[in-house]
Amino acid sequence: SQQGEEDPQALSIQEGENATMNCSYKTSINNLQWYRQNSGRGLVHLILIRSNEREKHSGRLRVTLDTSKKSSSLLITASRAADTASYFCATENVSGGSYIPTFGRGTSLIVHP
Amino acid sequence: SQTIHQWPATLVQPVGSPLSLECTVEGTSNPNLYWYRQAAGRGLQLLFYSVGIGQISSEVPQNLSASRPQDRQFILSSKKLLLSDSGFYLCAWSGGRSTDTQYFGPGTRLTVL
Repeated sequence: SQQGEEDPQALSIQEGENATMNCSYKTSINNLQWYRQNSGRGLVHLILIRSNEREKHSGRLRVTLDTSKKSSSLLITASRAADTASYFCATENVSGGSYIPTFGRGTSLIVHP
Repeated sequence: SQTIHQWPATLVQPVGSPLSLECTVEGTSNPNLYWYRQAAGRGLQLLFYSVGIGQISSEVPQNLSASRPQDRQFILSSKKLLLSDSGFYLCAWSGGRSTDTQYFGPGTRLTVL
């Protein structure tokens, strides 16, 4: 079942601008992860934020988590053309004692040079 | 270091033909293994996951099946392909804990004609 849902579905910005993507989920989580996918490639892990954290940074990435609203946001500052990709949030479902990641539909980001 | 391989990279098959996609992982033991399908411009749909040899869980009913004959080998199969089976198939592995990152293979682009 779909747990995380990203919005917007598509985002088009100019190089140097900031890009913000949001993720909403339905059930309680232990952590939330963001991934990036270049066109026609596999996903690459970007950052993990735990449920007891409110904000986390990694380079030009800033992730926030609001567990009361069941939402997270990914901010890419000073975007570059190379940031063009799809971005997914993933939350975990527990099944048979295993943690099974569930991905949203993703946000397609295009950064124009 | 761990690596994950998928093959073939691209595949064009006629409707009704069989399918076998292979995924292997190196550099880790007893990984959780996953098969996802991604339709064009869409999110990831979890098809199967496995927490151990011979243990397969199916997330959606379909004409696909999965097998894990060895610890680090995961195979996606079909006896008769449908047009709707076209898509981008991704294999991934993780440690199975909620904080574990998923590592994705390069994917297989399947076109059923």
